[in-house]
Amino acid sequence: AQSVAQPEDQVNVAEGNPLTVKCTYSVSGNPYLFWYVQYPNRGLQFLLKYITGDNLVKGSYGFEAEFNKSQTSFHLKKPSALVSDSALYFCAVRDSRNYGQNFVFGPGTRLSVLP
Amino acid sequence: DGGITQSPKYLFRKEGQNVTLSCEQNLNHDAMYWYRQDPGQGLRLIYYSQIVNDFQKGDIAEGYSVSREKKESFPLTVTSAQKNPTAFYLCASSILRTDSGNTIYFGEGSWLTVV
Repeated sequence: AQSVAQPEDQVNVAEGNPLTVKCTYSVSGNPYLFWYVQYPNRGLQFLLKYITGDNLVKGSYGFEAEFNKSQTSFHLKKPSALVSDSALYFCAVRDSRNYGQNFVFGPGTRLSVLP
Repeated sequence: DGGITQSPKYLFRKEGQNVTLSCEQNLNHDAMYWYRQDPGQGLRLIYYSQIVNDFQKGDIAEGYSVSREKKESFPLTVTSAQKNPTAFYLCASSILRTDSGNTIYFGEGSWLTVV
């Protein structure tokens, strides 16, 4: 079975500081990993994904994520946070062995960037 | 513009009434999905469809129905059997290929409120 954990409900960071939003996963095979962002009353927007290859993945709006197979983690990072990054962030996983299998989403982490 | 269109954005339902949420995509995606999101919470899968005229129940299908008569359309009906329908509903779609990770893309969502 697949599962995703986002251990922090809320992350607070000062503007200009680096930010990290944590995600750990569990799948039977190799994972496909995704990050999405949701602004109030909006749908989820795709930020980045890890399929294979380089463990450091770069995505939209200056975000990046690092795949760590040994720690089964896929933490989202940004070197310098903006107030406009304040939103709800979701991590998702799918088992690469079954392309028809559905995603499993984490519970979400609310990021607040303080001016 | 290419994308996923959900309508209406806001919908009010009276007790005992069925309502239908529309979802249309022009991305030529194979699979379509409906998720429910309660305020401040994560996503729960209601129904999904990987091919026309076929669909599968997700985790919380009771009180909901869907159809997939066309590739681009996947309407969701919230029936009177759904006792607590007030929520934010998200439609999504993806291709189905073995090598691409099959990123899910979301519409802007629809708010349903029981009055």
